[in-house]
Amino acid sequence: AQKITQTQPGMFVQEKEAVTLDCTYDTSDQSYGLFWYKQPSSGEMIFLIYQGSYDEQNATEGRYSLNFQKARKSANLVISASQLGDSAMYFCAMREAPNTGGFKTIFGAGTRLFVKA
Amino acid sequence: DTGVSQNPRHKITKRGQNVTFRCDPISEHNRLYWYRQTLGQGPEFLTYFQNEAQLEKSRLLSDRFSAERPKGSFSTLEIQRTEQGDSAMYLCASSSPTRGNEQFFGPGTRLTVL
Repeated sequence: AQKITQTQPGMFVQEKEAVTLDCTYDTSDQSYGLFWYKQPSSGEMIFLIYQGSYDEQNATEGRYSLNFQKARKSANLVISASQLGDSAMYFCAMREAPNTGGFKTIFGAGTRLFVKA
Repeated sequence: DTGVSQNPRHKITKRGQNVTFRCDPISEHNRLYWYRQTLGQGPEFLTYFQNEAQLEKSRLLSDRFSAERPKGSFSTLEIQRTEQGDSAMYLCASSSPTRGNEQFFGPGTRLTVL
């Protein structure tokens, strides 16, 4: 069965420093997609970054990068130069077989990030 | 573009009552998803529509739950004979045919069953 594991319930980081949020996944599919979402206290889920299982390069979106290690089945999110507004809940997610029309997306339990001034 | 909207934002109901939630996706998005999120957890997938067709439905969606998207635009999620365990945030998301990897989420409907 597919599973997403986020082992860090909470993380603290100093403003302007980089932080890595861990995510490991389990799937028997060869084709899948990995996502990170941010959920501020307001509750709305915000898409951050996507990595396809066949993508050879790690995805980057501004200050966000996804450290994809396929053999280890990990998809860690790296946030560079943290800002106070980055304080939020972060969810790692996986969608099965996107290239063949799979739609179900499963989410991890999340990591709460606190950015200190 | 106003994004994904959901109504109502909050719903309080008594156990045993039926409730219906509405989701209006971004206008050009043909894909629509429903999720349920309980406190301290990530969203759980409930169901998926492509246009008006319901293509996937989670086992979490018991017979008391039904979702429709009759004209391929807005969608409704109905819960019949609500139970206290149904209390959660119900999230709707949509995605476009050209950027299907990015799901845009609505603000959610928070359901409280007394």
